[in-house]
Amino acid sequence: GDSVTQMEGPVTLSEEAFLTINCTYTATGYPSLFWYVQYPGEGLQLLLKATKADDKGSNKGFEATYRKETTSFHLEKGSVQVSDSAVYFCALRVMDSNYQLIWGAGTKLIIKP
Amino acid sequence: DTAVSQTPKYLVTQMGNDKSIKCEQNLGHDTMYWYKQDSKKFLKIMFSYNNKELIINETVPNRFSPKSPDKAHLNLHINSLELGDSAVYFCASSRSGLAGPKETQYFGPGTRLLVL
Repeated sequence: GDSVTQMEGPVTLSEEAFLTINCTYTATGYPSLFWYVQYPGEGLQLLLKATKADDKGSNKGFEATYRKETTSFHLEKGSVQVSDSAVYFCALRVMDSNYQLIWGAGTKLIIKP
Repeated sequence: DTAVSQTPKYLVTQMGNDKSIKCEQNLGHDTMYWYKQDSKKFLKIMFSYNNKELIINETVPNRFSPKSPDKAHLNLHINSLELGDSAVYFCASSRSGLAGPKETQYFGPGTRLLVL
């Protein structure tokens, strides 16, 4: 079945460090891919998305490229800030899933000043 | 205006009680969802519902039941609460239709349920 695998957290970095959070997926069909972010005490919000192979989603300095050949959608940011501390969820969505999102387990990111 | 709202934000109750959590969206979406997030932040879909069908995650106990008075509301009713029901419950909504797979889900702020 369809699934999403994320790197386990927590990921702890110093401010201004380079960030990569790995996400790989298994899916039939042609999924859309998403990164959601959950700040402490809040609900999830869309960070970025890509709907077809080789698309790059970007927002707030974060980027992720839809790589069909490696079935990956890794999240990257060149210079993280303390305010980026949150839990990041990778997700996919395919037509066959009745529009439900298939979620990764989430990766907690801690940025130290 | 808040796009997806939930009430209450916090709910503390005794084991065995029956409680409801309300969700409203003002985005004009036709599909709504309930998720459960455990203490390790793992998200589990409980229900998805649009005006055509209710899809239930088969692992959800039948003590949980969604109730939709209209397209903008999807309430979650829980009977006979158990300790293991303690979690954060999120409501979400999206559009379906032809753009279904590309559509973003919009989440409410969550309801933190503690069963004592």
